[in-house]
Amino acid sequence: DAGVIQSPRHEVTEMGQEVTLRCKPISGHDYLFWYRQTMMRGLELLIYFNNNVPIDDSGMPEDRFSAKMPNASFSTLKIQPSEPRDSAVYFCASSLARTSGGADTQYFGPGTRLTVL
Amino acid sequence: QKEVEQDPGPLSVPEGAIVSLNCTYSNSAFQYFMWYRQYSRKGPELLMYTYSSGNKEDGRFTAQVDKSSKYISLFIRDSQPSDSATYLCAMFGNNRLAFGKGNQVVVIP
Repeated sequence: DAGVIQSPRHEVTEMGQEVTLRCKPISGHDYLFWYRQTMMRGLELLIYFNNNVPIDDSGMPEDRFSAKMPNASFSTLKIQPSEPRDSAVYFCASSLARTSGGADTQYFGPGTRLTVL
Repeated sequence: QKEVEQDPGPLSVPEGAIVSLNCTYSNSAFQYFMWYRQYSRKGPELLMYTYSSGNKEDGRFTAQVDKSSKYISLFIRDSQPSDSATYLCAMFGNNRLAFGKGNQVVVIP
């Protein structure tokens, strides 16, 4: 298996532009997680899905952020409009449903490094 | 009080020493406790997970959970330079998942 695939790996954009990050989870996994990581704030859970349905989106910073999972093999995280403080590494992770709710064996993608100028 | 507290370090130890890491938490609903290792410019990878209180050992790694104190620990015995990484604790319960900020560990040869 190729693992969790994220694209793009690097994104540089200007303030005010729309940014779309993409994730393909491991085939057969039914949980998908989006995270943001910065030096200051560490790893923050933004949102997670189970069977394409959002379960906890309390970590989404504000209305500029939105996430969708139209099918089991694809998810997007969109920022519109982007701001310099959104600069971070964004990780996607997936896992298989277990009694722990899929949280114990997450497989992370390589991340997208976003820079907003 | 933050939901999960983890001292970011960094922590430097000589090769062969025992590394001790810990996290505290405030949410009593947490039932599953995980430790992730993250190398520079890579995504985190799961090291160990524990359900409820108790100890779990895997090779040189030991995870401990004390739910009564809301305190979890990770011990690395006979530390190696390849253990140099950032270690993050994570907790899950009642549909809520939270991570610590991570603790940077440097093992000096």
